[in-house]
Amino acid sequence: AQSVTQPDIHITVSEGASLELRCNYSYGATPYLFWYVQSPGQGLQLLLKYFSGDTLVQGIKGFEAEFKRSQSSFNLRKPSVHWSDAAEYFCAVKAAGNKLTFGGGTRVLVKP
Amino acid sequence: DAMVIQNPRYQVTQFGKPVTLSCSQTLNHNVMYWYQQKSSQAPKLLFHYYDKDFNNEADTPDNFQSRRPNTSFCFLDIRSPGLGDAAMYLCATSNRVDSNQPQHFGDGTRLSIL
Repeated sequence: AQSVTQPDIHITVSEGASLELRCNYSYGATPYLFWYVQSPGQGLQLLLKYFSGDTLVQGIKGFEAEFKRSQSSFNLRKPSVHWSDAAEYFCAVKAAGNKLTFGGGTRVLVKP
Repeated sequence: DAMVIQNPRYQVTQFGKPVTLSCSQTLNHNVMYWYQQKSSQAPKLLFHYYDKDFNNEADTPDNFQSRRPNTSFCFLDIRSPGLGDAAMYLCATSNRVDSNQPQHFGDGTRLSIL
């Protein structure tokens, strides 16, 4: 069965600093991978997705993610964080039947 | 804009009193999902509809039911809410079951149980 692990429950970063969120997945075939962001009291917004091809994927809000098959990772990055990036971030893998398996989430706090 | 709309945003009900949450979409997607998300946890899939075909997750309690009267609307019915059912309920849609299309989420309904 597929699984997703986000090792960091909380990350605190200063505004303007870079951010990297880790995601490791377990899935037998080529995965479809997603990063979603959830602001407090809101639903999930898709940041980016990976299906195949170029392993560096660009998303919205200045985010990018890199798929590394050898490490079973799909880490999310942003070069310079803004206060509005404070939110919870979920990595997810899609398996058969279009079901999403989510990681436990990483809460990002941004210091002024 | 095309979107997934959930009403109400906040719902309060009494212990054991049936409650219905609604979801509508203007994306014309044929798959609709309901998730339960408890505080500081990832969303957990309850069930989904592929057109009129209902698919229940094995560990979804019988207390949770769903209806999809047409393509645009889907309802989540909780027959006898318990305190443990207090959560955020998220509706999502996607274009096809076996495709690489992402799921699009609504803003959720936060359910409180008195």
